[in-house]
Amino acid sequence: DTGVSQNPRHKITKRGQNVTFRCDPISEHNRLYWYRQTLGQGPEFLTYFQNEAQLEKSRLLSDRFSAERPKGSFSTLEIQRTEQGDSAMYLCASSLKTGSGANVLTFGAGSRLTVL
Amino acid sequence: AQSVAQPEDQVNVAEGNPLTVKCTYSVSGNPYLFWYVQYPNRGLQFLLKYITGDNLVKGSYGFEAEFNKSQTSFHLKKPSALVSDSALYFCAETYNDYKLSFGAGTTVTVRA
Repeated sequence: DTGVSQNPRHKITKRGQNVTFRCDPISEHNRLYWYRQTLGQGPEFLTYFQNEAQLEKSRLLSDRFSAERPKGSFSTLEIQRTEQGDSAMYLCASSLKTGSGANVLTFGAGSRLTVL
Repeated sequence: AQSVAQPEDQVNVAEGNPLTVKCTYSVSGNPYLFWYVQYPNRGLQFLLKYITGDNLVKGSYGFEAEFNKSQTSFHLKKPSALVSDSALYFCAETYNDYKLSFGAGTTVTVRA
């Protein structure tokens, strides 16, 4: 297992189109997270899953965004009717929930979205 | 709004000199604190974390951070910087076990 894998690495799309990103986490990790990072800013939390259950969604995640983790393994993040403001790097991370309360996240390299 | 503050956008040091990257966290509560580093075209990499206990935390690649509750700071330090330490550094806090709040990042440049 070589870490968290994200595809595609880059996506250029026209406004109004739908895009989907995929994340393959570290296989033994039961938690999966999506973050968004814009230029000059730190990553912002979007949502996370524990196994297949989506446990929290940020207010940043509008109705046009949907994330799934159907079998508790890989996850997809879909953005419908993309807008130019959606242009960002979408980061996926995974972790193994422990009792310490301070899980270490392993991040993928990200999927960069450019909306024209 | 980001509750973690990294007051310096950029830090420039000469190789072999000490490196400090500053971070202050939220005043309220007792968060868990992290440092991550981001290299171009690579994912964020974990450096170290503070949960409780010893205020000096040692991490990867010779980095350490000092938790200071009175100043609400968690500065990252390295005694002798390397050119390969040039990267983007992020401080992060959390009050639970799933949602990290990141600072805006500090770009570190180490010149040979």
